[in-house]
Amino acid sequence: GQNIDQPTEMTATEGAIVQINCTYQTSGFNGLFWYQQHAGEAPTFLSYNVLDGLEEKGRFSSFLSRSKGYSYLLLKELQMKDSASYLCAVKNSGTYKYIFGTGTRLKVLA
Amino acid sequence: SAVISQKPSRDICQRGTSLTIQCQVDSQVTMMFWYRQQPGQSLTLIATANQGSEATYESGFVIDKFPISRPNLTFSTLTVSNMSPEDSSIYLCSVGGSSGTGTETQYFGPGTRLLVL
Repeated sequence: GQNIDQPTEMTATEGAIVQINCTYQTSGFNGLFWYQQHAGEAPTFLSYNVLDGLEEKGRFSSFLSRSKGYSYLLLKELQMKDSASYLCAVKNSGTYKYIFGTGTRLKVLA
Repeated sequence: SAVISQKPSRDICQRGTSLTIQCQVDSQVTMMFWYRQQPGQSLTLIATANQGSEATYESGFVIDKFPISRPNLTFSTLTVSNMSPEDSSIYLCSVGGSSGTGTETQYFGPGTRLLVL
């Protein structure tokens, strides 16, 4: 079967660091994507991993371990505007289809 | 990246009626995708719309309930037919495009928020 798991909610303080985990089981793997979705808006692309390791992009980093079926999104120097849902998605190999997790709602407190 | 617009942005409909959602992209794309996002749930792919051929539906979704049109490479419509309260959801159109990091990702329209009474 295909399954992607993420925590439902997380809370962190402005200026802090937060790590959002994602575990996946899919029939084929062709990359893992993280999207940010503010309330009432469309998801927007944040990062992409297809090889093991860490990809850094400013305040956001994403890590992948294919052998463990595991990824995390690391957000540093949290800002209030980072309060949003963060969606983990896996692209199936050989197809164009993405499987999405339910998303993690992050609340950043002052 | 692609710029995608959807109409309507939201609607409240009566049970048994139908609503057609429009999706317009600012560039020509081969495939357009329709997703549903129910409250507190993940994005679920409804179907893939290809220009010049029938849409391809995912398990659990049928053409009679969700007919799709794709008249050209920049436009698609999704109709939600004979609606029931269970169809209340956000419907999102998306296309593939360059992420700027050497891979393709999905770009999403702003979504259509549907409430069925």
